[in-house]
Amino acid sequence: RKEVEQDPGPFNVPEGATVAFNCTYSNSASQSFFWYRQDCRKEPKLLMSVYSSGNEDGRFTAQLNRASQYISLLIRDSKLSDSATYLCVVNVNTDKLIFGTGTRLQVFP
Amino acid sequence: EPEVTQTPSHQVTQMGQEVILRCVPISNHLYFYWYRQILGQKVEFLVSFYNNEISEKSEIFDDQFSVERPDGSNFTLKIRSTKLEDSAMYFCASSEAVGGGYGYTFGSGTRLTVV
Repeated sequence: RKEVEQDPGPFNVPEGATVAFNCTYSNSASQSFFWYRQDCRKEPKLLMSVYSSGNEDGRFTAQLNRASQYISLLIRDSKLSDSATYLCVVNVNTDKLIFGTGTRLQVFP
Repeated sequence: EPEVTQTPSHQVTQMGQEVILRCVPISNHLYFYWYRQILGQKVEFLVSFYNNEISEKSEIFDDQFSVERPDGSNFTLKIRSTKLEDSAMYFCASSEAVGGGYGYTFGSGTRLTVV
């Protein structure tokens, strides 16, 4: 089983739509969880950390279900500028980040 | 906003040649990392470095790879004898504290093409 698994997409949505991405992780000892955004041929950039209580940052909401080893990201009111690949990332309390393969989002006018 | 700087942005090298990828981490960061991303694949951890020594490395980071902090500001990744499969984007990252994965900043990457 992959360490971090994501639906690769692509998700093609119109501007203004709400879109949800899911991610599962295999190591129950995982401690920290993140969503990163990666534009084509660019570096990953932190979008938000994910906490057990769930957290929101503007149009973005992240949820964590430790029992199901499941992480989600909800984007409301999609903008053209949201088009990117969204990476689910976990940390098992070591130095390294473990990345999923990413889910590609394309927002069209 | 502080940045992690990587040079060169793109390097083309012949198979079997040595390459050195350079990174300048954020100045008050103490923990340094190299990751790579083969085209179309996920970002993969290579190595972490703290206090002038490797703290963790992956299976990818074999004897062909080495890291160094030669002068207190630069952090380098050397590949001794490049193979075609080393072609990838290499990202340097740094963080202020270790553990938990928080506070990472990635550089913009070096695209390595081995021909």
